[in-house]
Amino acid sequence: LAKTTQPISMDSYEGQEVNITCSHNNIATNDYITWYQQFPSQGPRFIIQGYKTKVTNEVASLFIPADRKSSTLSLPRVSLSDTAVYYCLVARPYSSASKIIFGSGTRLSIRP
Amino acid sequence: DGGITQSPKYLFRKEGQNVTLSCEQNLNHDAMYWYRQDPGQGLRLIYYSQIVNDFQKGDIAEGYSVSREKKESFPLTVTSAQKNPTAFYLCASSWDRSYNEQFFGPGTRLTVL
Repeated sequence: LAKTTQPISMDSYEGQEVNITCSHNNIATNDYITWYQQFPSQGPRFIIQGYKTKVTNEVASLFIPADRKSSTLSLPRVSLSDTAVYYCLVARPYSSASKIIFGSGTRLSIRP
Repeated sequence: DGGITQSPKYLFRKEGQNVTLSCEQNLNHDAMYWYRQDPGQGLRLIYYSQIVNDFQKGDIAEGYSVSREKKESFPLTVTSAQKNPTAFYLCASSWDRSYNEQFFGPGTRLTVL
């Protein structure tokens, strides 16, 4: 079971690029890395998923180094609406749902 | 519109009463999940179901029960045996066990008076 470690909180300003790093030292060969975003009193929303190198979509980029022991979620030019909690998860396809762990996440606060 | 609905959004119950939280999805997903979230905490898995008429306990199943009689529905009952039921409850679904992406409902906030 790959344990993840993220910063508890981060602050930034509108228009900046924000990078949130997640550490997962014991990631297994078949594990994928997934990031979710959660606003207060709402369910989490899938942001991005990757296995290695770099993945980009219309919302974010995910950078995964060759050793895959960490990953970085990059949010370009954040706005106030990006204030949320961000969760990093590590799990393999077809694993038991009980292996999918949402930790406490990173609370990102964006200031004007 | 496809998605997951949970009802009600807010629920109050007296101590000692059982209460059932509804979760319905029209995404044709095989797998469904129930999570509990306490203030400032992450999500903890209560129960999950990978297929109709089958479900498995998660990390904190004590005091909860579920059923999966239809693909679209996965109701959660919070029983009087649950010692501290006040929390935010989230239902989710995914295509299957391959775990590509979980889709979450809006949640039900349960308060025990």
